[in-house]
Amino acid sequence: ETGVTQSPTHLIKTRGQQVTLRCSSQSGHNTVSWYQQALGQGPQFIFQYYREEENGRGNFPPRFSGLQFPNYSSELNVNALELDDSALYLCASSPRTENEKLFFGSGTQLSVL
Amino acid sequence: AQKITQTQPGMFVQEKEAVTLDCTYDTSDPSYGLFWYKQPSSGEMIFLIYQGSYDQQNATEGRYSLNFQKARKSANLVISASQLGDSAMYFCVDQFYFGTGTSLTVIP
Repeated sequence: ETGVTQSPTHLIKTRGQQVTLRCSSQSGHNTVSWYQQALGQGPQFIFQYYREEENGRGNFPPRFSGLQFPNYSSELNVNALELDDSALYLCASSPRTENEKLFFGSGTQLSVL
Repeated sequence: AQKITQTQPGMFVQEKEAVTLDCTYDTSDPSYGLFWYKQPSSGEMIFLIYQGSYDQQNATEGRYSLNFQKARKSANLVISASQLGDSAMYFCVDQFYFGTGTSLTVIP
């Protein structure tokens, strides 16, 4: 059983650029959630995708967008990067949308200069 | 809006002792679940334990147990027989939202 994998592991961008982060969910999981974790803080919920549709969204601006593909892998896109976007981005998959434990990837560390 | 509150930014416990990490929640959903995750300094997020709102008994997973008090809307994590490897951040989570976390340090 393959776990959740994220790519890349590290990324450096400059302010104003765009970035795409990728996540492959665990086999059999149709739900993917994305989180932003700033240094020393708890993860903040960005959004969740269920069967290719957005199923919930946290308090993030529209420049944070996502996609889920038929194989349930997912992308997180961030446009017009700001310095405060520097964080660890975590992807988690689960077999259902509610009351199911999340299986996390190792994250993508994004630095915006 | 944030629905999970963890009021202990940092906790210390002596090795082999028990420790309780506090969590309160706020939801109007009659069916909900609460999770605890551990995040060591290496960064990975590790599932520890789950409590469903309709569960009759407090959840238990090895050395981890939940002191679940519905009327008080609290779901405190109890770690028994603390080990050095328990030193980590601990997060209480509802469906989408994480608490701010508690940093636990186990002292030899």
